[in-house]
Amino acid sequence: NAGVTQTPKFQVLKTGQSMTLQCAQDMNHEYMSWYRQDPGMGLRLIHYSVGAGITDQGEVPNGYNVSRSTTEDFPLRLLSAAPSQTSVYFCASRGPLIQYFGPGTRLLVL
Amino acid sequence: SQELEQSPQSLIVQEGKNLTINCTSSKTLYGLYWYKQKYGEGLIFLMMLQKGGEEKSHEKITAKLDEKKQQSSLHITASQPSHAGIYLCGADLRRTSGSRLTFGEGTQLTVNP
Repeated sequence: NAGVTQTPKFQVLKTGQSMTLQCAQDMNHEYMSWYRQDPGMGLRLIHYSVGAGITDQGEVPNGYNVSRSTTEDFPLRLLSAAPSQTSVYFCASRGPLIQYFGPGTRLLVL
Repeated sequence: SQELEQSPQSLIVQEGKNLTINCTSSKTLYGLYWYKQKYGEGLIFLMMLQKGGEEKSHEKITAKLDEKKQQSSLHITASQPSHAGIYLCGADLRRTSGSRLTFGEGTQLTVNP
């Protein structure tokens, strides 16, 4: 099992550019989510999904879109990048008890 | 998140010393999770607590859940440099949280040799 994988590991964007952060899990988990981690603010939930075709907003959804066409994949789209979206992004997948995290994507928006 | 407060925010200890990190919730806890994060890396699951009074240990790390105080503590005995990192508590604050864990701000632990 690869667990939760994320690509890319690091990305630099210019303000206004769009991009998609990829996330995949091979554990057949229904629950998946995206968090962002900023200094002094811990992890904040962006969007989450309780199964294929079902997504919902978390705590800080503005500027981000998600879709869940398969159980395995849960991509996060930045529509028009802003410097405030500079952060480390973590994808997570939750089993019956434990939530597993991917290695993270470091995003810098200039 | 103000719903989940961790203390202290940072901690510097000498190798061999014991330490405690606290995580306090303003809401009912339906599950409490402890994770460790090394700089630039993902979160590693340490322990999960679900019942009041529950206590779990792994190697030199012990976590307890006080349901009445809505608080969990993480205790490290005889700390080592390998314990250094950021410790995060996450919680189910809804009866059916699904994937929506709420996290504290984290505690940065430094262990000096």
